[in-house]
Amino acid sequence: DAGVTQSPTHLIKTRGQQVTLRCSPKSGHDTVSWYQQALGQGPQFIFQYYEEEERQRGNFPDRFSGHQFPNYSSELNVNALLLGDSALYLCASSLDKFSPLHFGNGTRLTVT
Amino acid sequence: AQKITQTQPGMFVQEKEAVTLDCTYDTSDQSYGLFWYKQPSSGEMIFLIYQGSYDEQNATEGRYSLNFQKARKSANLVISASQLGDSAMYFCAMREISNFGNEKLTFGTGTRLTIIP
Repeated sequence: DAGVTQSPTHLIKTRGQQVTLRCSPKSGHDTVSWYQQALGQGPQFIFQYYEEEERQRGNFPDRFSGHQFPNYSSELNVNALLLGDSALYLCASSLDKFSPLHFGNGTRLTVT
Repeated sequence: AQKITQTQPGMFVQEKEAVTLDCTYDTSDQSYGLFWYKQPSSGEMIFLIYQGSYDEQNATEGRYSLNFQKARKSANLVISASQLGDSAMYFCAMREISNFGNEKLTFGTGTRLTIIP
């Protein structure tokens, strides 16, 4: 049973560019959340997708957008990259609101 | 707004000893869940243990137990018989449980645990 999978594992981009990160949830999970973890910090909630719609959003600018596909996989898009966007981006999925979130290994984004 | 506080940035513990990682939280919600995650240097967040706000007994999972004191708003993680593989960052997190299916987690800043042989 595959867990949450994310791609790519590492990414280097230049300021002003755009990036797309991908996530496949754990089998049977239909809700996907994205978190940003800056170095030395705890993860910060970006947004959550359920039934292909954004259900909740954290305090992140509109440069951060996402999508969920019919197979429950998800993408995180970041436009006009800033140096401060350098972080580990974690995807998580869950079975329901009472179950623990299962995280992927993350995508480490470096913006130069 | 929800808030999680972890006051121990780092801890060093001798192998085979027990260790307690502190976590306090603040919320006005009556229904919520508390989690502990382990994050090795590889980056993956590994779920360890969960405690619901209405659970009367403290949660246990193998060598992990959660010391839940609701009145004091604390949810400390206890690791018994520590092992070298326990060296990692540990995060306490809270989730409010609502009828709208809110599953957002609020994390603390973490505690870096180092097990000494």
